[in-house]
Amino acid sequence: RKEVEQDPGPFNVPEGATVAFNCTYSNSASQSFFWYRQDCRKEPKLLMSVYSSGNEDGRFTAQLNRASQYISLLIRDSKLSDSATYLCVVTGATDKLIFGTGTRLQVFP
Amino acid sequence: DGGITQSPKYLFRKEGQNVTLSCEQNLNHDAMYWYRQDPGQGLRLIYYSQIVNDFQKGDIAEGYSVSREKKESFPLTVTSAQKNPTAFYLCASSIPGGASGNTIYFGEGSWLTVV
Repeated sequence: RKEVEQDPGPFNVPEGATVAFNCTYSNSASQSFFWYRQDCRKEPKLLMSVYSSGNEDGRFTAQLNRASQYISLLIRDSKLSDSATYLCVVTGATDKLIFGTGTRLQVFP
Repeated sequence: DGGITQSPKYLFRKEGQNVTLSCEQNLNHDAMYWYRQDPGQGLRLIYYSQIVNDFQKGDIAEGYSVSREKKESFPLTVTSAQKNPTAFYLCASSIPGGASGNTIYFGEGSWLTVV
């Protein structure tokens, strides 16, 4: 089983739609969780950290479920500019970062 | 502006050649990392260095070598022993205390193609 698993997509959604991604992780000792955004042929950039209580940043909401070992990202009112690959990142043993393979989102007009 | 600079952005290599990818940072970060990304896959750690003159192997170090003679610089050499080197290479740095996701910064990446 992979340490971090994501549905690769692509998720094709119209502008204005709400879309949700899930990511599961295998190490129950993981302490830190993040969502990164990666545009085509570019470097990943931090989108948001994920806190136990859940957190929101504008149209983006991240949640953590430790019991089921998954994190989620919800995007409301999708924009064309949201089209990208979204990487789930989890810290593993010794604080090492483990990256998921990413979920590709394509927002169409 | 502070940041991480990788060069070259695009590089073509003939089979059997060694190539070196440059990574320079002016963020005064102690820790630096090299990742490899293949199409449809996540980032995999090649090497990392937490302090000058010290570095550790990551998950896929075979066929690669690094040096850390200066805090600002962490070049990666892709040797001829690396059998499938065509990939997107990302250099990163982080503040002391480890690579928590909210403290790691990436360079723009280098595309290496074997021809």
